Amino acid sequence: AQTVTQSQPEMSVQEAETVTLSCTYDTSENNYYLFWYKQPPSRQMILVIRQEAYKQQNATENRFSVNFQKAAKSFSLKISDSQLGDTAMYFCAFMKRYNDMRFGAGTRLTVKP
Amino acid sequence: DGGITQSPKYLFRKEGQNVTLSCEQNLNHDAMYWYRQDPGQGLRLIYYSQIVNDFQKGDIAEGYSVSREKKESFPLTVTSAQKNPTAFYLCASGVEQFFGPGTRLTVL
Repeated sequence: AQTVTQSQPEMSVQEAETVTLSCTYDTSENNYYLFWYKQPPSRQMILVIRQEAYKQQNATENRFSVNFQKAAKSFSLKISDSQLGDTAMYFCAFMKRYNDMRFGAGTRLTVKP
Repeated sequence: DGGITQSPKYLFRKEGQNVTLSCEQNLNHDAMYWYRQDPGQGLRLIYYSQIVNDFQKGDIAEGYSVSREKKESFPLTVTSAQKNPTAFYLCASGVEQFFGPGTRLTVL
C-alpha cells in the first residue's frame, strides 16, 4: 500500500520569505501523480500544484514550486514570497492512475506579518 | 460556471438513522470520490467511482454506501452501521480531484 508522510506538523514563516514543506511517499509503482493541496480555515480543498511521475521537470505555479526527487521518493513544496493568505493546512497526496488517492496528515503553515 | 456542489453544509443525525449526503458536478468528469476528514488528520478515501453504474470501496467503506446512476451525481449514505460518523465529508471529481465545499456531519 502507498503511504504519504509529512514530517512537519506545523511550520511558520515571515511574510515575504520562502518556506519549504516536506513530503515523502512509499510506493512500488512507476507511474503515478503527486499533488499539493491547500486547506484554509474555510476547509475548502484547493489544488496548489500537480506533478506527473514520468516528468523529470519540476512543476511550478507562480510562487509555488516543487522539488520532485523520484529515486528518493520525495516531493517538497516551496512557497516563495509568502503572503498572509498562504496561511492554511497543506496536504501532500499520491495517486496511482485515476484512482486510490492517499493523503499525508498535513502541515499547518502560519505566515506571520 | 462549472463546479462541484455538496449539500447540506451542516447535517445533524440521531443515532440509528441513515443520512444521505449529496454531491453534484457539472464538470463532465467521469471519476468521483468521497473522503472523510477527522480533526487534525488528512483525508481518507471512502468510495470512488470511475464511471456511471460502477464504484469501488476505499480504505474505510464500512458503514457507508454509494450509488452512481448519473454522471453528475454521486450521493453518499451514512448508515447506522457506521460507528463513529461525526466528521467532515468531502466530495471530489476528476483526476485532479476538484473538491466540493464539504458537509459537516454531527451525530447527536
